[in-house]
Amino acid sequence: EVQLVESGGGLVQPGGSLKLSCAASGFIFSDSAIHWVRQASGKGLEWVGRIRSKANSYATEYVASVEGRFTISRDESKNTAYLQLNSLRTEDTAVYFCARHYLDYGDPAFDFWGQGTLVTVSS
Amino acid sequence: QSVLTQPPSVSAAPGQKVTISCSGSSSNIGNHYVSWYQQLPGTAPKLLIYDNNKRPSGIPDRFSGSKSGTSATLGITGLQTGDEADYYCVTWDSSLSAGVFGGGTKLTVL
Repeated sequence: EVQLVESGGGLVQPGGSLKLSCAASGFIFSDSAIHWVRQASGKGLEWVGRIRSKANSYATEYVASVEGRFTISRDESKNTAYLQLNSLRTEDTAVYFCARHYLDYGDPAFDFWGQGTLVTVSS
Repeated sequence: QSVLTQPPSVSAAPGQKVTISCSGSSSNIGNHYVSWYQQLPGTAPKLLIYDNNKRPSGIPDRFSGSKSGTSATLGITGLQTGDEADYYCVTWDSSLSAGVFGGGTKLTVL
């Protein structure tokens, strides 16, 4: 059974940092891209970034609003992807989801999602 | 403002059909595949349609997708109260080198 489980969310002050994890199971992790998507309370979904598969050299891309502040990485030995959030702003407050793009081929489609983890940026 | 434009809300009676539009440009919908997601309150999104018009296994054929030019459409027939949810379109934008979501459409089954 394919599963994605996020963890690491919490309350952080503006300017602070947090590292989210997305633990994957039930599939060959290295074959898939992992995307991060966030949702502020009562708002729509926003694509944050992705880390591609081994076949695509683990390339990363980000939405402009987080470029230079957020970093996506992955540890194949732990079947886990990470989202490092630095220089956090109040507008980064959201539920963060990780999602799988199976086989990382063609345009992204997210067939499995984690349950989400809440990041609250507040003083 | 979202790169992809969806109507904020649509509504229809049980058993009826509804369509949800998603409008973009040549840098996104015009040259990339679209996927659609259903999000029930308090849950993660669920994939309904990928590659414009393909359904993952387990998604009933009441759900359909199409694309023409720089717009895509999600259709839902035989509406059920359980279809009440938010629906989102997604694609890739080659100018932004980023994924882009529509703003979401709230479906109400009257």
